[in-house]
Amino acid sequence: NAGVTQTPKFQVLKTGQSMTLQCAQDMNHNSMYWYRQDPGMGLRLIYYSASEGTTDKGEVPNGYNVSRLNKREFSLRLESAAPSQTSVYFCASSVVGYEQYFGPGTRLTVT
Amino acid sequence: GESVGLHLPTLSVQEGDNSIINCAYSNSASDYFIWYKQESGKGPQFIIDIRSNMDKRQGQRVTVLLNKTVKHLSLQIAATQPGDSAVYFCAGQDSGGGADGLTFGKGTHLIIQP
Repeated sequence: NAGVTQTPKFQVLKTGQSMTLQCAQDMNHNSMYWYRQDPGMGLRLIYYSASEGTTDKGEVPNGYNVSRLNKREFSLRLESAAPSQTSVYFCASSVVGYEQYFGPGTRLTVT
Repeated sequence: GESVGLHLPTLSVQEGDNSIINCAYSNSASDYFIWYKQESGKGPQFIIDIRSNMDKRQGQRVTVLLNKTVKHLSLQIAATQPGDSAVYFCAGQDSGGGADGLTFGKGTHLIIQP
């Protein structure tokens, strides 16, 4: 039982490049989430998916898109990366109304 | 939306002492609160949670207290150990039963002095 897994662990992009962050969970959770964490800050919600086939914007959705590929997988795409998107990205999953389980994070640097 | 924040960015305690980390929230509609521990380079790890119909909840060496009147919650860690050194976040969720994400505070860095 791996919990929540994320790939890649590290990534460096140039401004304007695109990439997709992958997330998968094996806990049969309906809800999945993407957060970003900046230095000295708490986590901020980017997008979430209450169930397969649905996605909703969180606090900071601009510059990102998501896809809930199936119940297990929830990806985050940066179409045209900007230096302001340099951050650590965390994926999480949960049963609705209960604690969220987090992955190990993807450390992204945009130059 | 709500804001959730912590009173102190850093807390230094002696090994073996009890630690108390505080958190305030602004949204009266919040009904579910979680404390997370984050070690360097890792994702947040669930410690304990509490719902608004409770005032206190205990786990192994940890206790969470919720005061809805002043919108305040605290995490108490008994007999603090070196392995407790981490950043601690409180997080809250609005009522409504939906799958909304959590609102996190900025975190308190707990430092254990030998």
